[in-house]
Amino acid sequence: DTAVSQTPKYLVTQMGNDKSIKCEQNLGHDTMYWYKQDSKKFLKIMFSYNNKELIINETVPNRFSPKSPDKAHLNLHINSLELGDSAVYFCASSQDPARGPYNEQFFGPGTRLTVL
Amino acid sequence: AQSVAQPEDQVNVAEGNPLTVKCTYSVSGNPYLFWYVQYPNRGLQFLLKYITGDNLVKGSYGFEAEFNKSQTSFHLKKPSALVSDSALYFCAVRDRTGRRALTFGSGTRLQVQP
Repeated sequence: DTAVSQTPKYLVTQMGNDKSIKCEQNLGHDTMYWYKQDSKKFLKIMFSYNNKELIINETVPNRFSPKSPDKAHLNLHINSLELGDSAVYFCASSQDPARGPYNEQFFGPGTRLTVL
Repeated sequence: AQSVAQPEDQVNVAEGNPLTVKCTYSVSGNPYLFWYVQYPNRGLQFLLKYITGDNLVKGSYGFEAEFNKSQTSFHLKKPSALVSDSALYFCAVRDRTGRRALTFGSGTRLQVQP
């Protein structure tokens, strides 16, 4: 029974296109995240949502727009894709860190985005 | 600001030998510390965490980590490495306010040779 799921697993597209990645968690968590892992495996937080409200936005270009229709879903829409957007994008979830900063995060399997 | 340093890009160890993956941190106040493992083409999996109390924390798959406040370190250890332990390991830190995002280190690739 998958805890954090992402679709698609692979995404290959041309520069300039718009694409979306979907994320769902069935853990009952309040908080969801998007991370970007580059080719050197550095993991960087992009966004964090708590109960559908944006709480962290780490200087991500506004071509990236997260959308949270409910607290179990956090989708990532990317406009005008660029070569530098090629990376693996991970969704994660946890209990609200403001109430339990010691709570671990649970990660999805990742979406490998390749921009040609 | 909070930060994590994993000084080794790669650690090589023979199967059956003990392993150590190093992590040092910087944070205001007392930290919460985490270790995650990433197998090829997979997401990160939680291994263990330090909250408070006993400095030796035990986690999944026989891993443990030792919190050392004076050295601001949280090294990951295992008494006897398995080939299946070969993966990418990430240390992460968060301050106790919970207002900041979890900060990850750059990762250390563990290679266990048979």
